[in-house]
Amino acid sequence: DAKTTQPPSMDCAEGRAANLPCNHSTISGNEYVYWYRQIHSQGPQYIIHGLKNNETNEMASLIITEDRKSSTLILPHATLRDTAVYYCIVRVGSSNTGKLIFGQGTTLQVKP
Amino acid sequence: DVKVTQSSRYLVKRTGEKVFLECVQDMDHENMFWYRQDPGLGLRLIYFSYDVKMKEKGDIPEGYSVSREKKERFSLILESASTNQTSMYLCASSPPTGSLKQPQHFGDGTRLSIL
Repeated sequence: DAKTTQPPSMDCAEGRAANLPCNHSTISGNEYVYWYRQIHSQGPQYIIHGLKNNETNEMASLIITEDRKSSTLILPHATLRDTAVYYCIVRVGSSNTGKLIFGQGTTLQVKP
Repeated sequence: DVKVTQSSRYLVKRTGEKVFLECVQDMDHENMFWYRQDPGLGLRLIYFSYDVKMKEKGDIPEGYSVSREKKERFSLILESASTNQTSMYLCASSPPTGSLKQPQHFGDGTRLSIL
């Protein structure tokens, strides 16, 4: 599975959009990009995933560049409850293992 | 919503004890996973199971075993607990990984301390 690179920390003002970048320059054609977040003392929470098209759900939007070497998770109106560690993961969608490899993630601090 | 329930949030055991961590999911998922999470090391896969009575070693299986007698339940067993097994343990489940729109869903974890 390809490796990802994320900034260790970011701040965002409450009510503003939070844009979290992720580099995955060695991604293969059949690898999906997944985003999870982990709020302190809880298990990781699935947010969104995609292959090459942009995706949107009730939590966030995922923008994947045309060459698929990077992506951005967008939380459109960040709240204090969005303060968490955000993980960008790539994995093969058809892998029998299906294991997720979590890196160090980005600690997002949403400030009032 | 998918619900993955781990039997204990916090657990304290002694060195040498046999420890059982239980995980139950309510979505009829084929795949279930056990990870441990340690500061600076991220999540590491211990074991996974893709069907009842089937199991596969993950990256760090030493000192652990698993049991999957029913589809909804996946147990992690520490045969003889040691202090280096003090960690946060996370269970996850998902449909078969060929189902591309179906991610893994996690429980809230069990924080295990071995004294």
